[in-house]
Amino acid sequence: AQSVTQLGSHVSVSEGALVLLRCNYSSSVPPYLFWYVQYPNQGLQLLLKYTSAATLVKGINGFEAEFKKSETSFHLTKPSAHMRDAAEYFCAVSGNAGGTSYGKLTFGQGTILTVHP
Amino acid sequence: EPEVTQTPSHQVTQMGQEVILRCVPISNHLYFYWYRQILGQKVEFLVSFYNNEISEKSEIFDDQFSVERPDGSNFTLKIRSTKLEDSAMYFCASERYPDTGELFFGEGSRLTVL
Repeated sequence: AQSVTQLGSHVSVSEGALVLLRCNYSSSVPPYLFWYVQYPNQGLQLLLKYTSAATLVKGINGFEAEFKKSETSFHLTKPSAHMRDAAEYFCAVSGNAGGTSYGKLTFGQGTILTVHP
Repeated sequence: EPEVTQTPSHQVTQMGQEVILRCVPISNHLYFYWYRQILGQKVEFLVSFYNNEISEKSEIFDDQFSVERPDGSNFTLKIRSTKLEDSAMYFCASERYPDTGELFFGEGSRLTVL
């Protein structure tokens, strides 16, 4: 079984400040890990993914995430927030447990990021 | 940029009525999914579809639900007899290559069952 916990349903930062969105996962098999972003009135969009290569993964729009197996974490960071980063962010896990496909994602509850001027 | 489109964006229906949600996946994608998000809850997997058949389905996807790809472009989710608890945002997604997890999602169809 797989699960994802995102710590903090709402995160608020000032423009230019560090963004840190937390994600912890549980998986019985080597996981694929993802961050998806949803801007208002749009579908979920892939931000970045981890698939067992480099533990530090770089994504679009200056975001990156680090896979830490010992902590079962995959936190998302961005050094300097911009107003356009305001959105809802979803962490997700998938894995080949019992023949399930990697397209079967298990999502966290989402974190709404607010960026203040 | 190619995108997944869903219709309707919002549908209100009476309990017990049939509903069909429609999706047009990205044209060269081969793997299709439906997810849903009940208000205040997590986005959850319903079903995956490949080569004109269901690949996997969750326990939520009972006999009231069905999916089909009636032509080369549309992918539909049918709920035969809606219940109040079916009220949710339903997301269609498509994937070009197998087992990447790189899903492209539509904007969602909000279903309200009264």
